[in-house]
Amino acid sequence: GAVVSQHPSWVICKSGTSVKIECRSLDFQATTMFWYRQFPKQSLMLMATSNEGSKATYEQGVEKDKFLINHASLTLSTLTVTSAHPEDSSFYICSVKRDRGRRVENSPLHFGNGTRLTVT
Amino acid sequence: GNSVTQMEGPVTLSEEAFLTINCTYTATGYPSLFWYVQYPGEGLQLLLKATKADDKGSNKGFEATYRKETTSFHLEKGSVQVSDSAVYFCALSLNDYKLSFGAGTTVTVRA
Repeated sequence: GAVVSQHPSWVICKSGTSVKIECRSLDFQATTMFWYRQFPKQSLMLMATSNEGSKATYEQGVEKDKFLINHASLTLSTLTVTSAHPEDSSFYICSVKRDRGRRVENSPLHFGNGTRLTVT
Repeated sequence: GNSVTQMEGPVTLSEEAFLTINCTYTATGYPSLFWYVQYPGEGLQLLLKATKADDKGSNKGFEATYRKETTSFHLEKGSVQVSDSAVYFCALSLNDYKLSFGAGTTVTVRA
């Protein structure tokens, strides 16, 4: 079953409002999570790296004050799109890096199902 | 910078047909290469990976070989099934778990 829960799966909001997206690891701890954004027919682009207990690291060109990231626990990171505008309409997806443990796996990265944001 | 270019879709095939999705990359350094798959209504899943030149990743009948000389990592499957219908993403990473993705290729397999 799913090991990462991303909520909501879709949201429609009005211009000027804020929207919070949650990314939660379900059965493991994750010090590090990543937030991506995908515009139609384009690549997923890394927006920021979310680190538990410290400030997020943003990629070049991503506005920190517009895309607020909070990683207050080892299982939850949130992305808040503040004062949303139609150009923020996009598909947002989180990736969770499982903290090292005994379990052997092909990759420590696990993805959420994504959130479709539409700003009207 | 790092970038991935993959074949544009959508791709529509009949069952048992041969599938190839081209992927080329540019990178500053020696990246690991990945193919991720997203089935309808689900999150991205790692399909296969290769961490160095000439490595071949394989899973579920899919294969891709890391070709440093052509900076490519093309995905192939000899006989597709309806259940292979999905969006496929080529990606690279310089081992910091940050991924650079291609745009994704939608594959539809008809019975």
